[in-house]
Amino acid sequence: AQKITQTQPGMFVQEKEAVTLDCTYDTSDQSYGLFWYKQPSSGEMIFLIYQGSYDEQNATEGRYSLNFQKARKSANLVISASQLGDSAMYFCAMREDGSNYKLTFGKGTLLTVNP
Amino acid sequence: DTGVSQDPRHKITKRGQNVTFRCDPISEHNRLYWYRQTLGQGPEFLTYFQNEAQLEKSRLLSDRFSAERPKGSFSTLEIQRTEQGDSAMYLCASSLRYGQGVTKNIQYFGAGTRLSVL
Repeated sequence: AQKITQTQPGMFVQEKEAVTLDCTYDTSDQSYGLFWYKQPSSGEMIFLIYQGSYDEQNATEGRYSLNFQKARKSANLVISASQLGDSAMYFCAMREDGSNYKLTFGKGTLLTVNP
Repeated sequence: DTGVSQDPRHKITKRGQNVTFRCDPISEHNRLYWYRQTLGQGPEFLTYFQNEAQLEKSRLLSDRFSAERPKGSFSTLEIQRTEQGDSAMYLCASSLRYGQGVTKNIQYFGAGTRLSVL
């Protein structure tokens, strides 16, 4: 079974608008972490935001926020005020704390920001 | 503070040749990970080091693959007798050890080595 599911292969958004990228996860661990990374066409994976399973508040980092719904096992990324430079692949990943801290990634969502 | 660096960025080789990639982690990071990413997929875990000890290897890592991290600093990933199915992006990441005041264990990635096997 997929541990990380990203159901949107591609998303389009107008510049300056907000966009939500979906991520659902599957784990039986009580302690885990959820991450979002951005991968531009250059290939580097850029860390955006982290949410721990015990964190009560949703994580925020500048224009990025993570909508964490633990009971639904979802960890959606919200990008506010989209910019042209946000066009990239976005990956959701999970670290299960019984797993040597390796990351399991989803298949990604290609975000295109239109001017 | 420099990030994770990988060398080379691109490698083209013929089937059957051996290739070696290098990863230099962020200097104070004691954990190092290798991942492989094929077209249209997310990265998949290959192996993990804590300092110089290789603590886990994925079943994806066949006998033709070997990784080392001598002295707990840089790491190398070698693929022997390359096959066309080895064509992929090989990504290296590093992090601090979880615990001892480190609560997030964020992995920082290099730009990757793109391997093409002809």
